[in-house]
Amino acid sequence: NAGVMQNPRHLVRRRGQEARLRCSPMKGHSHVYWYRQLPEEGLKFMVYLQKENIIDESGMPKERFSAEFPKEGPSILRIQQVVRGDSAAYFCASSPGQVAKNIQYFGAGTRLSVL
Amino acid sequence: AQSVTQPDIHITVSEGASLELRCNYSYGATPYLFWYVQSPGQGLQLLLKYFSGDTLVQGIKGFEAEFKRSQSSFNLRKPSVHWSDAAEYFCAGGPYGNEKLTFGTGTRLTIIP
Repeated sequence: NAGVMQNPRHLVRRRGQEARLRCSPMKGHSHVYWYRQLPEEGLKFMVYLQKENIIDESGMPKERFSAEFPKEGPSILRIQQVVRGDSAAYFCASSPGQVAKNIQYFGAGTRLSVL
Repeated sequence: AQSVTQPDIHITVSEGASLELRCNYSYGATPYLFWYVQSPGQGLQLLLKYFSGDTLVQGIKGFEAEFKRSQSSFNLRKPSVHWSDAAEYFCAGGPYGNEKLTFGTGTRLTIIP
């Protein structure tokens, strides 16, 4: 019974490149959340998605960041033209929705380093 | 504004001693509250959760937490810590029906022999 799977675990990009982070939710989960953790800080909410829909993107930077959760396949967090300030750990969580919808299970994260 | 506060950045406890990690929340309505643990380089593992009902909740690994509305607190406790409990602990919460979790800044727990 696999948990939330994120890949890659570590990603190195040079300034100006694109970063694509993938998240496969737990089996049976239809809700995905992305959080960012800067060094020495707690997690900050970025975006909440259901299949093919963005429900809440109030924590997403206005530019360069986008997220999707297609009908088939993993959720993708995309960062265009990365800058050094994007270096952080990005965590994905999933939940089954409905009655237990506020229980979020987290993946191991993707640690992005921008050179 | 909705917030979760963990006043202690770093706590050191002797192995076998009791532990209490503090968490305060600020929400207008009944909150959902959680404690997660993060080991170095790892993701977050859910220790326990509070939705409603009994204010003392039991979690995994021998942890418990008590919801106190009058103090806006949800402190995490363990009667006797083990060296393997050394990690970062995060309190998180969200207002009823809201999917977005707000995290505290975390408390780093060090265990000494």
